[in-house]
Amino acid sequence: QKEVEQNSGPLSVPEGAIASLNCTYSDRGSQSFFWYRQYSGKSPELIMFIYSNGDKEDGRFTAQLNKASQYVSLLIRDSQPSDSATYLCAVRVYGQNFVFGPGTRLSVLP
Amino acid sequence: NAGVTQTPKFQVLKTGQSMTLQCAQDMNHNSMYWYRQDPGMGLRLIYYSASEGTTDKGEVPNGYNVSRLNKREFSLRLESAAPSQTSVYFCASSDLAGGEYEQYFGPGTRLTVT
Repeated sequence: QKEVEQNSGPLSVPEGAIASLNCTYSDRGSQSFFWYRQYSGKSPELIMFIYSNGDKEDGRFTAQLNKASQYVSLLIRDSQPSDSATYLCAVRVYGQNFVFGPGTRLSVLP
Repeated sequence: NAGVTQTPKFQVLKTGQSMTLQCAQDMNHNSMYWYRQDPGMGLRLIYYSASEGTTDKGEVPNGYNVSRLNKREFSLRLESAAPSQTSVYFCASSDLAGGEYEQYFGPGTRLTVT
């Protein structure tokens, strides 16, 4: 069973702070890693993906991957109330087979 | 440019009834997917189609069938609905972009089976 785990939260951070979201995965052969944002009652939207060890930055978002530890994270700098949502970690395990984690609910407090 | 569209938005079925969920995309993507989302369980892949004329099972295919009608359309059929199939169903499409499959999701279909 290929698994992706996330802390369900809620994770609460004050406005302007850095939010740190974490994800672990079980399949060492996993190819690439994705972060999606999902507002309540809406569909997931892709934030970014990463497939090499290290950091990848896109605006206020930074994804970090450590394949040896089977760990991927998402940092959100200068968090805004509009960032309050559920963040889904997804792993492409092989081909076009994707496994999603249960999501972490983030609340940014004004 | 509508992206990914799904019909219907809401549906209530009785146990044993059948129905087809429709999905269409106008982004000329090769790949399409069906997921279900249950509380606390994230999205689970039911079936996907890497190209017109091909389909493959995902994590939870039992009780479902799919048809890739053409490049634009990918339908999901429940032959005999069960209460365990109560869920929100999302269709997605993707193509290789920047070396990876970036998935775009439709608005979802909320299905209740009584």
